[in-house]
Amino acid sequence: AQTVTQSQPEMSVQEAETVTLSCTYDTSESDYYLFWYKQPPSRQMILVIRQEAYKQQNATENRFSVNFQKAAKSFSLKISDSQLGDAAMYFCAYRGVNTGNQFYFGTGTSLTVIP
Amino acid sequence: KAGVTQTPRYLIKTRGQQVTLSCSPISGHRSVSWYQQTPGQGLQFLFEYFSETQRNKGNFPGRFSGRQFSNSRSEMNVSTLELGDSALYLCASTQDEWHTGELFFGEGSRLTVL
Repeated sequence: AQTVTQSQPEMSVQEAETVTLSCTYDTSESDYYLFWYKQPPSRQMILVIRQEAYKQQNATENRFSVNFQKAAKSFSLKISDSQLGDAAMYFCAYRGVNTGNQFYFGTGTSLTVIP
Repeated sequence: KAGVTQTPRYLIKTRGQQVTLSCSPISGHRSVSWYQQTPGQGLQFLFEYFSETQRNKGNFPGRFSGRQFSNSRSEMNVSTLELGDSALYLCASTQDEWHTGELFFGEGSRLTVL
């Protein structure tokens, strides 16, 4: 089975600075999708960014970008110009193309933004 | 368009009881998945339903079951509750069978077992 590992249970960043959250995964599939989800305190989980494994170009969404290293099975999230509203739990997730809509999630990284 | 709706939001049960949680997906979404979220464990996949059929099932005991209705609404049931079942149960929907898009999550049902 696929596994997703987030080795940083907690991270903190100064407002306006940049922070990188790490994620590694294990799979034998050649095609898949990777996601970063954000779960603010007591609020619902929302998608931050998505990466298709067949695309070499790293995905970018405004202040959020990823560093996708397929050979290393690494998928880190970089948040630039951090804002107070970025404080949340961040989950890395994997979805294969042949496994329906079953997503595999990491254990999450709690991000604190310091004013 | 209304989001994913889960009821109840909070509930307290005692060991041995059973519980039923409900999820209404976004209109037009036919796939509904359930996840258990606990501190330190992240999200654990329970099962996924598509067009009233269970397509995938996670590694949970048979006390955990679910179903999906013709209108795509889904319910999950946990029988003979144990203390370890205390968790946030998340429902998520997505548009179609092979869609590569995101999961849309509800706010969750927080279950406390005493």
